[in-house]
Amino acid sequence: EAQVTQNPRYLITVTGKKLTVTCSQNMNHEYMSWYRQDPGLGLRQIYYSMNVEVTDKGDVPEGYKVSRKEKRNFPLILESPSPNQTSLYFCASSLGGELFFGEGSRLTVL
Amino acid sequence: AQSVSQHNHHVILSEAASLELGCNYSYGGTVNLFWYVQYPGQHLQLLLKYFSGDPLVKGIKGFEAEFIKSKFSFNLRKPSVQWSDTAEYFCAVNARAGKSTFGDGTTLTVKP
Repeated sequence: EAQVTQNPRYLITVTGKKLTVTCSQNMNHEYMSWYRQDPGLGLRQIYYSMNVEVTDKGDVPEGYKVSRKEKRNFPLILESPSPNQTSLYFCASSLGGELFFGEGSRLTVL
Repeated sequence: AQSVSQHNHHVILSEAASLELGCNYSYGGTVNLFWYVQYPGQHLQLLLKYFSGDPLVKGIKGFEAEFIKSKFSFNLRKPSVQWSDTAEYFCAVNARAGKSTFGDGTTLTVKP
């Protein structure tokens, strides 16, 4: 089954404790992206990757890092999380501009 | 920079009413346009898309959208909504490789 898988789905952490949200897709898509969803603000792009070893900043990259060492994986790293990063995060992969989303990861930073 | 504006933040309709959700974008060049739907507690799914050709596109579940280039619009329509259409709807633009921009979303509540 074609899918985008994110882990963890839910996480509560404390300020400053590094965390990684993993994302994996099995559709051989070259393009992958991370978004955060906040009430009233829609989806905002954090980072995206056009291919292996190629990453670019989206609209809200501050406080996040990504890496793309393999085609299928695109982890999102929060080196020192802060409460304003409490949000719902979606990973997506794309073929021809159409996005395929993961189930989402709800992160709470206390 | 590309941007997307959705006119209605919250729409409440009764079942069988007709639906039209507005979406305008700003970008001077060629665009790919999308509508995604997010049912409560779920991830976003594609409703329909426009790349080129017939400006009236049909999607899943009876939805359709019309691309009007002169108005920079891509409005979503459905002739008769159902309670199961209750969801949040997002318009999105992909105008260059890698950059997808979403509107703020419209929450649709359909009363049975």
